[in-house]
Amino acid sequence: DVKVTQSSRYLVKRTGEKVFLECVQDMDHENMFWYRQDPGLGLRLIYFSYDVKMKEKGDIPEGYSVSREKKERFSLILESASTNQTSMYLCATKGHRLYEQYFGPGTRLTVT
Amino acid sequence: GENVEQHPSTLSVQEGDSAVIKCTYSDSASNYFPWYKQELGKRPQLIIDIRSNVGEKKDQRIAVTLNKTAKHFSLHITETQPEDSAVYFCAAIYSGGYQKVTFGTGTKLQVIP
Repeated sequence: DVKVTQSSRYLVKRTGEKVFLECVQDMDHENMFWYRQDPGLGLRLIYFSYDVKMKEKGDIPEGYSVSREKKERFSLILESASTNQTSMYLCATKGHRLYEQYFGPGTRLTVT
Repeated sequence: GENVEQHPSTLSVQEGDSAVIKCTYSDSASNYFPWYKQELGKRPQLIIDIRSNVGEKKDQRIAVTLNKTAKHFSLHITETQPEDSAVYFCAAIYSGGYQKVTFGTGTKLQVIP
């Protein structure tokens, strides 16, 4: 079974704080993704990575950065958290062949 | 880039009736179309997928159809049951390049007992 874990289920941060969300997978998947999920907007891609140290911007990268130093770990960084970044953040992984994505349990981030 | 539109955003059906969710995509290069189901408080999980060289695929009460010419694909659920209540997402992927996955905005399906 693929296991995708995220560092926190719930997180509360203050405006202006630097926030780290971490995702770890145990299936040796090349591709990793960060999405945010908001009601009525579906799953919007923030960043994805197709290999170690490789990253590509998704549809809404503004205000975010990512890091992938090791294959199993993909971090999402909010450089200076703002209230409009309050959301559910989902990490996902995928093998390089045309396989399904496996999602983590999500982190509900609240920025006050 | 790819854009996926999904309709309707909410859908209520009586138990036993059928439900249909439709998606359209913009990039003709997309060649893989998965559907995910997300139950309340849980992570999305793949329920069925279809590749561009196939027009229809069935798995028990669930089926997906693809019209490449019109660039749309649909999810059909027959004999709906209360446990089908969830949010359903369609997605489109191009298997070449970076394999970016673009999701639709989701459909909240409610099956009324």
